[in-house]
Amino acid sequence: NAGVTQTPKFQVLKTGQSMTLQCAQDMNHEYMSWYRQDPGMGLRLIHYSVGAGITDQGEVPNGYNVSRSTTEDFPLRLLSAAPSQTSVYFCASSYSGGGAGETQYFGPGTRLLVL
Amino acid sequence: SQQGEEDPQALSIQEGENATMNCSYKTSINNLQWYRQNSGRGLVHLILIRSNEREKHSGRLRVTLDTSKKSSSLLITASRAADTASYFCATDRGGDYGQNFVFGPGTRLSVLP
Repeated sequence: NAGVTQTPKFQVLKTGQSMTLQCAQDMNHEYMSWYRQDPGMGLRLIHYSVGAGITDQGEVPNGYNVSRSTTEDFPLRLLSAAPSQTSVYFCASSYSGGGAGETQYFGPGTRLLVL
Repeated sequence: SQQGEEDPQALSIQEGENATMNCSYKTSINNLQWYRQNSGRGLVHLILIRSNEREKHSGRLRVTLDTSKKSSSLLITASRAADTASYFCATDRGGDYGQNFVFGPGTRLSVLP
C-alpha cells in the first residue's frame, strides 16, 4: 500500500492565483482531512470528510474548498491564494474517525509559498 | 484555543538520557494520542492511551495519563539520535470527527550524539 500520498511536494504561487493540492489514500478509509501546519501552532484542521459526497468545515476553512467524489481522493482547492496561506499542508485519513480511538495516517505534506 | 499544549516547547538531551514531554488539555477526552514528526515529513502515530487507562508502554516509550489533572506525559528512555523530531499530543474528545480531534503545538526534541 502507498498509504496517503500528496502532490505536489512544493509549490510557489503568486497572490491571487488558484491551485489544487491533491491527496489520495489506498487504505479504503472513510475519514479524510486537511490540516495546515504553521510554526508554533501545531496542526489546524481546514476541512474534513466522513465519506464520499460528504464534507464539512474545520477550524480554519476560509479561502479553501474541498470535494470528495470518491473514497480515495480528497483534493484541497485554494481559490485565490494569499500570503497568509503560506504553510505546510497535510492530508490525513483514518478508518472510522474520532471517538473510536482510530489513529490517523498522514501524507508527507505539501509546502506552499505564496508571494 | 488549543485543546492540547505540550511542554516544554523544545528539549535538548544527550544520547542515552531519558526525555520527558508533557501535554495538558482542557476538556474531557475519550483518548489521547502521541505522534512524531521528523523534519520535513508527515506525522507518524506512536501510541494511544484511552481515558480509562493510566499508563501504556510501547518499546522505549511510556505514556501516562492523569485525567484528574488533564495531563499526559511521554517518556522516551535511552534516547538515540534518531529520536530527534517534534512530538505532538492529540486529544480525541469523541463525537463528531471534525470537531474533536485536536493537536497541540508540539515539543521539539534534539538528541545530541
